[in-house]
Parts: sequence; C-alpha cells; structure tokens
Amino acid sequence: NAGVMQNPRHLVRRRGQEARLRCSPMKGHSHVYWYRQLPEEGLKFMVYLQKENIIDESGMPKERFSAEFPKEGPSILRIQQVVRGDSAAYFCASSPRGVQNTEAFFGQGTRLTVV
Amino acid sequence: SQQGEEDPQALSIQEGENATMNCSYKTSINNLQWYRQNSGRGLVHLILIRSNEREKHSGRLRVTLDTSKKSSSLLITASRAADTASYFCATDGFDQGAQKLVFGQGTRLTINP
Repeated sequence: NAGVMQNPRHLVRRRGQEARLRCSPMKGHSHVYWYRQLPEEGLKFMVYLQKENIIDESGMPKERFSAEFPKEGPSILRIQQVVRGDSAAYFCASSPRGVQNTEAFFGQGTRLTVV
Repeated sequence: SQQGEEDPQALSIQEGENATMNCSYKTSINNLQWYRQNSGRGLVHLILIRSNEREKHSGRLRVTLDTSKKSSSLLITASRAADTASYFCATDGFDQGAQKLVFGQGTRLTINP
C-alpha cells in the first residue's frame, strides 16, 4: 500500500505562471488536507476536501488559489499567477476518516520556488 | 486562534539523554497528535492521545496530556542521533468543528553524538 504521493517534488515557476500540485492519497482514504510550510515554521492549514467536495477552505487565500479532489484522479492544488511569496513547501495529507478519530498520513511535499 | 504551540523552539542535548518537549493549546480537543519531520521531508505520525487519556507510551516515546491545563508533553528517552528532527504537536480543533489538524511551530531537536 503506497503512501501519499505528491508530485512534482520540486517545482520552479516564474512570476505570473500557474503552479499545479498533485496529491494521490493512500488507497482507501477519502479525506485530503493541504498544508503550506515556510522555512523554519510549522504547517499552516489550507484546505480540507473529500471526494468532489470542499469541506473547509478557511486557510486558502481568497484569490489565485483553488483546490479540487475529483471522483477519479488525484487532488490538485492550483496557484494562478504565482508571486515570490508563494514559494514554500506544500504538503498533502490523507486519512480514512476525519482526523478527530485517526492520524493523518503525509506526503513528501512539493517545494515550489517562484523566480 | 492558533493551537498547539511548542516549547522550547529549539533543544540540543547529548546522545543518551532524555528530551522533553511541551505543547500548549487553546480550545477543546478530541485528540492531540505528535509528528516528527526530518529536514526536507514529510511529517511522520508518532502518537495520538485522546482527550480522555492522560498518558501514552510507544517504544521510547511517552506522551502526557493535561486537558485542564490544555497542555501536552512528549518525552523521548535515551535519545539517539537519528532522533534529530523537528517535532510538532497538532490538535483537531474540536470547538471549530473538528475538521482539521492545526499545528504549532514545532521544536527543533538536535542530538549531539
């Protein structure tokens, strides 16, 4: 049973381009969470999704950021018109049910660098 | 409001010594979890303690939870160089619908050989 898979591991984008980050949860997991981490800091919650539904997007910036978790395929975090401040590590986690009852499993992250 | 603030921010000890990290949080919880992150890697789950539990053990790890003080501690006994990592506590934000884990800033632990 493969773990949470994120790709790409490293992504370089020029200012103004779009970044698409992918996350395949563990098999059987229908809950997906996205977090952002700046160097030497903790993880900041961005969005929580279940299949085809956004459950909580209270941590998502109001503009340029969007997330989806379609019925088929990976979850996608999309950042449009990237700016230097978007440079960070983005982590995806999945769980078989809500985290009030169980642990979350994390991927290795995507490190986005905006130049 | 931010949950799960760890103390100290950084800790450096000699191999073989015990390491203690503390976590404070602000709202009611269903559970509190501890994770480890090696440099440049993802987070690895260490232990989950439920709100009705006071202490839990896993190998060299011991976690305590005091819900009256809204605090938790992680003790690593007989530390090894491989324990060098950042350690984060996370709470599930029960008062906020228990929808997600909220992390603190972490404790950076360095084990000197």
